[in-house]
Amino acid sequence: DQQVKQNSPSLSVQEGRISILNCDYTNSMFDYFLWYKKYPAEGPTFLISISSIKDKNEDGRFTVFLNKSAKHLSLHIVPSQPGDSAVYFCAARKAGNQFYFGTGTSLTVIP
Amino acid sequence: EPEVTQTPSHQVTQMGQEVILRCVPISNHLYFYWYRQILGQKVEFLVSFYNNEISEKSEIFDDQFSVERPDGSNFTLKIRSTKLEDSAMYFCASSSGLRGRETQYFGPGTRLLVL
Repeated sequence: DQQVKQNSPSLSVQEGRISILNCDYTNSMFDYFLWYKKYPAEGPTFLISISSIKDKNEDGRFTVFLNKSAKHLSLHIVPSQPGDSAVYFCAARKAGNQFYFGTGTSLTVIP
Repeated sequence: EPEVTQTPSHQVTQMGQEVILRCVPISNHLYFYWYRQILGQKVEFLVSFYNNEISEKSEIFDDQFSVERPDGSNFTLKIRSTKLEDSAMYFCASSSGLRGRETQYFGPGTRLLVL
């Protein structure tokens, strides 16, 4: 039951360029979305979130866009830095406090 | 900065044995979670815990699993009789505030290997 999907398992971007990570979901009951970053042998680290009542949230180099009609969200990182290289997970929450994670996208930022 | 801690970092056990994974959530947090990630797969929700009881659980969280907050600081996940397919990274997380809407902070994980 794949309610949250990240269709790109990997992405490579040149340093200084924009990284765009995509996430699709199927459940219209999701009301809160998050992006996490994960390094090997560590737990996921929160990056940025967005409520379903918004379509954009920005925090420094990170911007999350939500398109509810398309059930799509994306994370933009600009400018990308080598330290951004990690696996990025999107997650979605529905009422009742259960969170669903995507399968992750491995981002490599090339110096 | 406060963080979620987990012990042990690695656990190897024989099939059929019981294991207890331990977590110390961030001290003022009210919601606690367990997730697992089988190698190469997605992070999967297991259970959420609030006010000393389970608030949500997934299909994975069957009768073999139980959670407990035995004191004011620890949050444990017990697997009663481990199976080979329980081998995974287990992450604990905690969050603060109303209805768990706030960010979940994850621990570093426990790598469980069932032989």
